[in-house]
Amino acid sequence: NAGVMQNPRHLVRRRGQEARLRCSPMKGHSHVYWYRQLPEEGLKFMVYLQKENIIDESGMPKERFSAEFPKEGPSILRIQQVVRGDSAAYFCASSQGGRGLTEAFFGQGTRLTVV
Amino acid sequence: KNEVEQSPQNLTAQEGEFITINCSYSVGISALHWLQQHPGGGIVSLFMLSSGKKKHGRLIATINIQEKHSSLHITASHPRDSAVYICAAVYGGSQGNLIFGKGTKLSVKP
Repeated sequence: NAGVMQNPRHLVRRRGQEARLRCSPMKGHSHVYWYRQLPEEGLKFMVYLQKENIIDESGMPKERFSAEFPKEGPSILRIQQVVRGDSAAYFCASSQGGRGLTEAFFGQGTRLTVV
Repeated sequence: KNEVEQSPQNLTAQEGEFITINCSYSVGISALHWLQQHPGGGIVSLFMLSSGKKKHGRLIATINIQEKHSSLHITASHPRDSAVYICAAVYGGSQGNLIFGKGTKLSVKP
């Protein structure tokens, strides 16, 4: 049973391009959480999704950021028209139920660099 | 404003020492988590506490609700314990919606 898989591990984008970050949860997990870790700062919650539903997006920036978790396939965090301030490590975690980090497993993260 | 404060920010210890990392938070949390982030960046969830004390191997986590304070202890520390330790509080949003401390960077020297 593979763990939470994030890809790519490293992503470089020019300002104004789009970034797509993928998260494949552990087998049997239907809850996904995305977090962002800015350089020299702590982790921050972004969004919590179940299959085909956004449960809590209170941590998502109002513009340019979106997330989905379709019935089939990985969860996608999409950042449109990236700016230098989007450079960060983005982590996802997954759990079988909705008890958050109590039973969640993290991916290795995607490190986005905007040049 | 809901905040989570950790201390110390950095900690260096000799192998075998007993280590304590502290976390304080604002009122009204429903749970507190301790996480470990390895030098390569991977994150592992260590504990979730809402009261009392939990132990796993050489790791012990305690929480004092009245004092709004939690501690993570490592007994008989080892160089492989070197990592960043992060506490995170659930303030009433969804279970994944946590407020994170900035982390304590622990380095254990042989």
